[in-house]
Parts: sequence; structure tokens; C-alpha cells
Amino acid sequence: AQSVTQPDIHITVSEGASLELRCNYSYGATPYLFWYVQSPGQGLQLLLKYFSGDTLVQGIKGFEAEFKRSQSSFNLRKPSVHWSDAAEYFCAVGGVMDSNYQLIWGAGTKLIIKP
Amino acid sequence: GAVVSQHPSRVICKSGTSVKIECRSLDFQATTMFWYRQFPKQSLMLMATSNEGSKATYEQGVEKDKFLINHASLTLSTLTVTSAHPEDSSFYICSAPTVNNEQFFGPGTRLTVL
Repeated sequence: AQSVTQPDIHITVSEGASLELRCNYSYGATPYLFWYVQSPGQGLQLLLKYFSGDTLVQGIKGFEAEFKRSQSSFNLRKPSVHWSDAAEYFCAVGGVMDSNYQLIWGAGTKLIIKP
Repeated sequence: GAVVSQHPSRVICKSGTSVKIECRSLDFQATTMFWYRQFPKQSLMLMATSNEGSKATYEQGVEKDKFLINHASLTLSTLTVTSAHPEDSSFYICSAPTVNNEQFFGPGTRLTVL
């Protein structure tokens, strides 16, 4: 069955520290991978996406993610977080299965920044 | 956890007709719901923010008269694609935040306009 797992419901990091948010997926076809961020009361904003090519993708706001096929993972990283990064982060996997386009979402990880 | 449903999951219609998509929060109330559309191999695009009891807030470039949004109750928001055309064929997804601002997504609606 197709699924996306974000193992961490909450993560707390100090401002200036590095960050890694985990995303693992199970998908029967070639996946398209996304990371979105959502600030309180706001809609989703795309951080980055992976369709093919270089497995290390750069996104907005200094984020990057690496696609590791052998581990079925697409973890999001940032070398130094800012207080404004406090938000909820969603990993999503999309693709075509049985001629239908699907989009499967992780449950989200809430990022808390300590001053 | 909270559940958001969408109906229908898939719809095929003729060009020129209107299609209504429902988004329901099943076990919580949502004063705000978000509507997105997504084309295959492309990212999700926020279309509008639906507000219960008031007008929706549309993102730049989204036609208000084309995509009518009604947030009639605290558990239901509807998106009506009016006079649909083939270019409106897309995957539409809604989401709703709980009072703790946890975001829950509907499963999406696949619209195909012939």
C-alpha cells in the first residue's frame, strides 16, 4: 500500500542549529516527492520537489532534501534554522497508479524553534 | 486523528457544465479550509482560503467567478468549477486546520473535463 511516514510529530531545535526532518515512503511506481511548509493560518507553500535527476535538490529559504531510493527516503535539511522557520512541514508523494494521479501526504512534523 | 473527506473522489464532465466538489471535516469544526489544485508532475497550488460565514480569499491569478467557494457551515466547504473546460482538468485537494492548527488533508478529487 502507498504511504508516507513522517516519524516525528514534533521537533524542537535551537535557533542557529541544523535541522533534519525525516520522510519515508512506500510507493509502487516512480514517485514525485515534495516538501511543503505551512505557517499558522496559512496555506501550504512548496519548499522543494524532486522528479528526476540530481538526488540532492535545493529549495527556497535555504532548505534542501536528498532522495535516497535505497532507503525510500526524502529527508529535508537546513544547516541553520531561523525563528521564522517555526511551522509545520509536510512531505508528499505523487505519482500515477492505474492511470490515476495520486497524491499522498505525510502527517506532518511541527518544528519548534528555541531562542 | 481528524478526518477530512472530499466528494466526489473522481468526476468526469462535459465542457461547459459546472461541477461541485465538497470538502467536509468529519469530526472537528473548521472555520477555515484551503483549496488547492495540482497538475501531474507539478506542485500543489493554493487557490483560495475558504472562510466560514464570509467571502473566500483567492490567490492571485485565480478567477473568482470561475471557482466559486462557499463555506456554508463549520464542517463543509464547497468548490464549484463553473463552465468547466478541459484546461480545468486537474486534481483538487482541500485541507482544514484543527483548533491546534494541525492540518488535515482531504484525499483529493480528480476532475476530468471532456
